[in-house]
Amino acid sequence: DAKTTQPNSMESNEEEPVHLPCNHSTISGTDYIHWYRQLPSQGPEYVIHGLTSNVNNRMASLAIAEDRKSSTLILHRATLRDAAVYYCIRNNFNKFYFGSGTKLNVKP
Amino acid sequence: NAGVTQTPKFRVLKTGQSMTLLCAQDMNHEYMYWYRQDPGMGLRLIHYSVGEGTTAKGEVPDGYNVSRLKKQNFLLGLESAAPSQTSVYFCASSYYTGGGQPQHFGDGTRLSIL
Repeated sequence: DAKTTQPNSMESNEEEPVHLPCNHSTISGTDYIHWYRQLPSQGPEYVIHGLTSNVNNRMASLAIAEDRKSSTLILHRATLRDAAVYYCIRNNFNKFYFGSGTKLNVKP
Repeated sequence: NAGVTQTPKFRVLKTGQSMTLLCAQDMNHEYMYWYRQDPGMGLRLIHYSVGEGTTAKGEVPDGYNVSRLKKQNFLLGLESAAPSQTSVYFCASSYYTGGGQPQHFGDGTRLSIL
């Protein structure tokens, strides 16, 4: 199965770090790991992606396990605007396989 | 810069009617995609295109047809709508690479089939 496995929901306090896990145990060597998030009534929004090494950008960090069978999206300081569904996706030659995602709730 | 624009935003159809959803992108992307999203679920790929004049089937292609006559436009057609096709449809586009490019999504078309 090309889809990934994520917890259905997670909760965080505002201004605290959040670690969103993803399992992709059947990943192949050429698959990228992408993370997107989706706010209600909007299309998915790109967050970050990587292949083997850890990645950082202005939105988040992505930590990829050495065996590439799992990864973690890190939001360094959660805000109320980060409340969304987060999707971890395997990207194979521009075909994306979405799972059901993790609904992140951020408490003030 | 509009990005990816989908029209219409909402539509209600009766069973058996036909319609076409339009997706337009202004980023000169080679690849374009159509997804559907059912309540509480992730997106599923319907069809995609790797360039003008080419299309290919995705995960759930049955009941849909697509065309890519111009690089900037990707059309999704329902020839005979069925209630099972009630969903939110998203279009996306990306550059041509081997998998490391992000996809840019539109805001979706909410389609109800009665």
